[in-house]
Amino acid sequence: AQTVTQSQPEMSVQEAETVTLSCTYDTSENNYYLFWYKQPPSRQMILVIRQEAYKQQNATENRFSVNFQKAAKSFSLKISDSQLGDTAMYFCAFKLLTGTASKLTFGTGTRLQVTL
Amino acid sequence: GAVVSQHPSWVICKSGTSVKIECRSLDFQATTMFWYRQFPKQSLMLMATSNEGSKATYEQGVEKDKFLINHASLTLSTLTVTSAHPEDSSFYICSASPLGRMNTEAFFGQGTRLTVV
Repeated sequence: AQTVTQSQPEMSVQEAETVTLSCTYDTSENNYYLFWYKQPPSRQMILVIRQEAYKQQNATENRFSVNFQKAAKSFSLKISDSQLGDTAMYFCAFKLLTGTASKLTFGTGTRLQVTL
Repeated sequence: GAVVSQHPSWVICKSGTSVKIECRSLDFQATTMFWYRQFPKQSLMLMATSNEGSKATYEQGVEKDKFLINHASLTLSTLTVTSAHPEDSSFYICSASPLGRMNTEAFFGQGTRLTVV
């Protein structure tokens, strides 16, 4: 079974600053995807960024980037130039790469507060 | 992007009654949909995997007779909470992935807040 651990229940960052959210996972599988999802107060789950485990290059989406360390089973999210709209719960998630749809396993989440 | 619509967004029901929650993929087909439950300030926990045309697969500890799942078409899955009790009050979220993109991204409904009084 896969597990995902987020060790930071809450984080705070000032607007325009950079913050890094941590995530580690445990699996014996070799082919999988990792995701960061954002859940704002509306509670709608929004995909932030995705990383394929077979790719060595770290994924980047505008102000969001990841540091994927496969050997260490670490997948941190860096948010640059933080904006007030980034305030939300952030969940790290793991998904096995299979021939059919497979479930997401979520971490416990990190509540990010962006302040003025 | 693909859209998943969940209905209702919120519902209040009396103890002992049943409540049906719908999850629809509006612009794509999905052979599999997932139902999650989220308690306040907690993470999403998978309840069951809904398979079109066949029985749902439930996670350990989830009562299949209490949480009935029907995936009658490639665009609709329903979750019925039977004989609801206050401890069933929670936020329920469904997700689905388009055929051919099942590994790359899951799209989520907006969730349903269930309150049992």
